Amino acid sequence: EIVLTQSPGTLSLSPGERATLSCRASQSVTNTYLAWYQQKPGQAPRLLIYGASNRATGIPDRFSGSGSGTDFTLTISSLEPEDFAVYCCQQYGTSPWTFGQGTKVEIK
Amino acid sequence: QITLKESGPTLVKPTQTLTLTCTFSGFSLSTRGVGVGWIRQPPGKALEWLALIYWDDDKRYSPSLKSSLTITKDTSKNQVVLTMTNLDPVDTATYYCAHRLIRLPFDYWGQGTLVTVSS
Repeated sequence: EIVLTQSPGTLSLSPGERATLSCRASQSVTNTYLAWYQQKPGQAPRLLIYGASNRATGIPDRFSGSGSGTDFTLTISSLEPEDFAVYCCQQYGTSPWTFGQGTKVEIK
Repeated sequence: QITLKESGPTLVKPTQTLTLTCTFSGFSLSTRGVGVGWIRQPPGKALEWLALIYWDDDKRYSPSLKSSLTITKDTSKNQVVLTMTNLDPVDTATYYCAHRLIRLPFDYWGQGTLVTVSS
């Protein structure tokens, strides 16, 4: 199975700052089928990005995704107060579909 | 508007069987390309995909849990049922069901249901 490793584990930033999150796959992700989710405490994950770089419906344009092959990045251009959460990546190109362990973006 | 909701027991004893039901609305599981999956998340840990069923009754399972999982659908009731046998305390987690279209990720999720495995 494809193992997804996210870094850093925790990102301490202030509102207005730029956040850059990494997701590295143990093997190439088929068709760039890589998604990013946001999860807040007690809530279900919310789809942000699919196909590595496509924003899901209703997602603000401060969220952007990039990458291909085994290296992917989620960028939040300017953090809003509601963006402090856990972010995880998922590959859905090869079964079993797998998730990364998550990156927590916390207020500095 | 697509919604999903999980239901089932909150407490299960070790070695028992867990049956979870996902009741959904806003889509049909008889529509080509549609799937419903189950994902779980132990407290403080990462998400883990468990199983998925497609509109054509194609079923996929996590290899590590395949021997203990069964997923079925009832299209007329808009429900998907996950059965997990021989539970262990490590199976304590929030269990989510989620909608996906083929070649796309899980885009709509239920609120999740916490299942505790303890004697």
